Amino acid sequence: IQMTQSPSSLSASVGDRVTITCRASRSISGYLSWYQQKPGKAPKLLIDTASSLQSGVPSRFSGSGSGTVFTLTISSLQPEDFAIYYCQQSYQNPPTFGQGTKMEIK
Amino acid sequence: QVQLVESGGGVVQPGRSLRLSCAASGFTFSGFGMHWVRQAPGKGLEWVAVISNDGSEKYYADSVKGRFTISRDNSKDTLYLQMNSLRADDTAVYFCAKDPDILTGINGLAVWGLGTTVTVSS
Repeated sequence: IQMTQSPSSLSASVGDRVTITCRASRSISGYLSWYQQKPGKAPKLLIDTASSLQSGVPSRFSGSGSGTVFTLTISSLQPEDFAIYYCQQSYQNPPTFGQGTKMEIK
Repeated sequence: QVQLVESGGGVVQPGRSLRLSCAASGFTFSGFGMHWVRQAPGKGLEWVAVISNDGSEKYYADSVKGRFTISRDNSKDTLYLQMNSLRADDTAVYFCAKDPDILTGINGLAVWGLGTTVTVSS
């Protein structure tokens, strides 16, 4: 299953509301996770099963979608949110990642 | 606390082999599947392989199939990745990650190691 994220990069300002889209090449039900990765660090799980926020993750992060189209929304960007975001499907082996979306400061 | 620590990375010539290890602690290792995920310099995450909790099922990315072997020793709480016939495009940071279930659970990968760097170069 191929996962395609859009956009590949996003320039935004602190306080902006931003949305990243992840599309699967076939239906993955709700088996979709979102990760945040900062330079030199391991990925951090933000959301799984499409919309379940992990403990300790700020509520400004939210996820939605099912089937083939999913979104990650950050309601009000904070300085610490500038990072790369990846989606990953766990519906079927191999569990593939999207190519990533780089969130940059405008 | 739950922890994964990778080791075994280094510089290796093309065509040679290397074995990575991932030492687990803080959870019942034999109860969970385990993954290897890699990241080439400046590139995105690439899933590499997964092994079920008991080692009976394994899946690989097409890019490593036939060259890499994932295994585990539940008596030692350790995951391995045997990498043979290494190529320049295998150069990456290799992360191990804990599956939420016995094999590719529906939930995401919440526990990751810090990674070990493999450089394939002559």
